[in-house]
Amino acid sequence: DAGITQSPRHKVTETGTPVTLRCHQTENHRYMYWYRQDPGHGLRLIHYSYGVKDTDKGEVSDGYSVSRSKTEDFLLTLESATSSQTSVYFCAIRADRVGTDTQYFGPGTRLTVL
Amino acid sequence: GQQLNQSPQSMFIQEGEDVSMNCTSSSIFNTWLWYKQDPGEGPVLLIALYKAGELTSNGRLTAQFGITRKDSFLNISASIPSDVGIYFCAGQRIPQGAQKLVFGQGTRLTINP
Repeated sequence: DAGITQSPRHKVTETGTPVTLRCHQTENHRYMYWYRQDPGHGLRLIHYSYGVKDTDKGEVSDGYSVSRSKTEDFLLTLESATSSQTSVYFCAIRADRVGTDTQYFGPGTRLTVL
Repeated sequence: GQQLNQSPQSMFIQEGEDVSMNCTSSSIFNTWLWYKQDPGEGPVLLIALYKAGELTSNGRLTAQFGITRKDSFLNISASIPSDVGIYFCAGQRIPQGAQKLVFGQGTRLTINP
């Protein structure tokens, strides 16, 4: 357990509405990531953060923005949700410990855009 | 975007059988990771590999970092019902920086009792 929580766990919204997903960590990790998971695509990186107010784009960043005002929170925002953004969203943290450097995932948020 | 080629996409086996799956890429990777995902949950790390040729075990699981650095293998011995799930490989191409992982499409493992 890497101390990662995501909220909400499930959300249904309508096309055109803004949506914000929250990732919260309790272990003060520097790096945080947002992925989306779709059938046949595995997980794809949306955005990541390497510190407070330091973020960068991933592979599928169009239509998404992120913010990190505190070390423990990383927010993913869909400014105007579209049906193509229906997906399961996972947050991850990077844990760099002696002998290992890898990512641990949160429980996910299932988002449905009608 | 780039993805890893993971195979097989699905497996249907009998309890007690051994399982093998692999990931390949046309690019060199510096880190290989194997995750398992149960329904409704996030991926859970199984094994991490950091050196070409490395062979690492975690209980009944064994994974190898291919010597060419373009592939990795995961084996599960004597499968049991709780092994059911989706297995993902993930790789990191650039050793420094943000650890931007690339994932395979997953191997869905089903076990017949």
